[in-house]
Amino acid sequence: DQQVKQNSPSLSVQEGRISILNCDYTNSMFDYFLWYKKYPAEGPTFLISISSIKDKNEDGRFTVFLNKSAKHLSLHIVPSQPGDSAVYFCAASARSGTSYGKLTFGQGTILTVHP
Amino acid sequence: GAVVSQHPSRVICKSGTSVKIECRSLDFQATTMFWYRQFPKKSLMLMATSNEGSKATYEQGVEKDKFLINHASLTLSTLTVTSAHPEDSSFYICSAGAAFSYEQYFGPGTRLTVT
Repeated sequence: DQQVKQNSPSLSVQEGRISILNCDYTNSMFDYFLWYKKYPAEGPTFLISISSIKDKNEDGRFTVFLNKSAKHLSLHIVPSQPGDSAVYFCAASARSGTSYGKLTFGQGTILTVHP
Repeated sequence: GAVVSQHPSRVICKSGTSVKIECRSLDFQATTMFWYRQFPKKSLMLMATSNEGSKATYEQGVEKDKFLINHASLTLSTLTVTSAHPEDSSFYICSAGAAFSYEQYFGPGTRLTVT
């Protein structure tokens, strides 16, 4: 049962344009969402997060949007740079009992930014 | 962000032997550490959650007698793969989280190859 889904395995974008990475979830108990960036043979690096009480959070070139009714979130990167090329994972957490702090990850989307 | 280290970064061992992987949080006290496993081109799968001074909580399907986890201090957790087999070959990643925090900081990962 995949509770967090990233349906696009890959995305290719031209440098300077916007990259939009999407993520859907099914568990209504999730109330905190995170995006991580990962290079091969390295651990994920935290990018940006959003609480379920918000619908948008912005940090520099990165903006995360949350649509709770649709159980959907997206990460916007603008402008995209070649150094952004990596695998992007969305993750979700539920603030409930023994699940507190546990992250459920999506499958990841490979972003390639072409010069 | 916080710094989490893992050692070794890469290990090759023979089938039947045991391998220990260390995870250290270098600049904060990690009340909780998580161990993940990533198969090629797959998402990160949570194996277990360890809290300092208590027994680890394993996810369904993870053999606790095979993957021994010790979290003896607020800065160190270890994962021991006992009697390793080729199917245990994988990329193992730890993460550390502070108390009542959703955010996790990941180590660089350990590539285990069992021959």
